[in-house]
Amino acid sequence: QQQVKQSPQSLIVQKGGISIINCAYENTAFDYFPWYQQFPGKGPALLIAIRPDVSEKKEGRFTISFNKSAKQFSLHIMDSQPGDSATYFCAASKSNYQLIWGAGTKLIIKP
Amino acid sequence: GAGVSQSPSNKVTEKGKDVELRCDPISGHTALYWYRQSLGQGLEFLIYFQGNSAPDKSGLPSDRFSAERTGGSVSTLTIQRTQQEDSAVYLCASSVTGNLNTEAFFGQGTRLTVV
Repeated sequence: QQQVKQSPQSLIVQKGGISIINCAYENTAFDYFPWYQQFPGKGPALLIAIRPDVSEKKEGRFTISFNKSAKQFSLHIMDSQPGDSATYFCAASKSNYQLIWGAGTKLIIKP
Repeated sequence: GAGVSQSPSNKVTEKGKDVELRCDPISGHTALYWYRQSLGQGLEFLIYFQGNSAPDKSGLPSDRFSAERTGGSVSTLTIQRTQQEDSAVYLCASSVTGNLNTEAFFGQGTRLTVV
């Protein structure tokens, strides 16, 4: 019930394409769903986050889609660029201090 | 400092030795978190501090692990009698409050290798 399952483990996308990473959760008490971006040798950095009262949130080229009934949420990166190459983590929380993390997706954008 | 600072960046230690990992949070951040990241895995929660107290230390893997925070600022994670399975990147994060309405900022981590 505490798990967040993330897929795919790795992803290669051509420059300019759309990168899609998916996550699924079980605990219906989760009400905060952030995505973090991590570059090698750095700590994760918050990219974008959503709460379940909306189905979509967009910030620049990054969009979170949220499906409450299916208990799934996804990150879409439009017009993917080589600088987007990083590891992406989804997470979920009950709006307290503790985040439950997905296993991560290593994204490579080919020029 | 401008961000969360962790030291050392890398630590290689012999099995059975004790290690101390240090975290300097962003000034004014009351909440501090320690996570462990193993290769190819997500982040594993270890402990949460609010000020100097630790309301939740449920993620500490064993009694060989301990952490303290002094002055509402610097935190030290201590691992006694290190084992090879302790090898991982240890990440520290801080936030203004313990509520996730406020963003948590991460340090660059300490890569611990137990040989």
